[in-house]
Amino acid sequence: DAKTTQPPSMDCAEGRAANLPCNHSTISGNEYVYWYRQIHSQGPQYIIHGLKNNETNEMASLIITEDRKSSTLILPHATLRDTAVYYCIVSPNDYKLSFGAGTTVTVRA
Amino acid sequence: NAGVTQTPKFQVLKTGQSMTLQCAQDMNHEYMSWYRQDPGMGLRLIHYSVGAGITDQGEVPNGYNVSRSTTEDFPLRLLSAAPSQTSVYFCASRPDWNTEAFFGQGTRLTVV
Repeated sequence: DAKTTQPPSMDCAEGRAANLPCNHSTISGNEYVYWYRQIHSQGPQYIIHGLKNNETNEMASLIITEDRKSSTLILPHATLRDTAVYYCIVSPNDYKLSFGAGTTVTVRA
Repeated sequence: NAGVTQTPKFQVLKTGQSMTLQCAQDMNHEYMSWYRQDPGMGLRLIHYSVGAGITDQGEVPNGYNVSRSTTEDFPLRLLSAAPSQTSVYFCASRPDWNTEAFFGQGTRLTVV
């Protein structure tokens, strides 16, 4: 499976957009990019996923570069409840998800 | 629709004891999996199942057994608990390989 690189931590201001980067330079053609988050050691929560095209849902937007070697998760209007560990995962066409250390995002008032 | 339910939420075991962590889902998902999460780390895959009667090992399977007799249930058995198995255990299910996974709220296990 392709490995991902994320910054260990980042801060953002409440109400502003949070842009979370992820590098996955060894991604292969059949691998999807998934984002999950974990709040206060609860079970991880799915955010969004994509293959090549940019994706948007009610929680976030996922921007994947044309060469697919990196992606950015955008939380459009961060709130205090978005404080969590965010995991970027690259997964091939099987069922396994491989979690790294993630990015600890702290939203400040 | 309860989603993924894990029981118990907390458990303390003595070294050498055995126990079963329960996981049930009511979404008719074929794929289920077990992860463990040690302090400050990401989740690591223990075992997974792609359907009733089919299981396979993940990244850290030693010391754990699983079986899948029904679509709904995927229990995780600790054969002889060791302090190194102190962790938070998460069960997950998903309908297909390229869809979202649903996680339970975890079982916090301490082995003394």
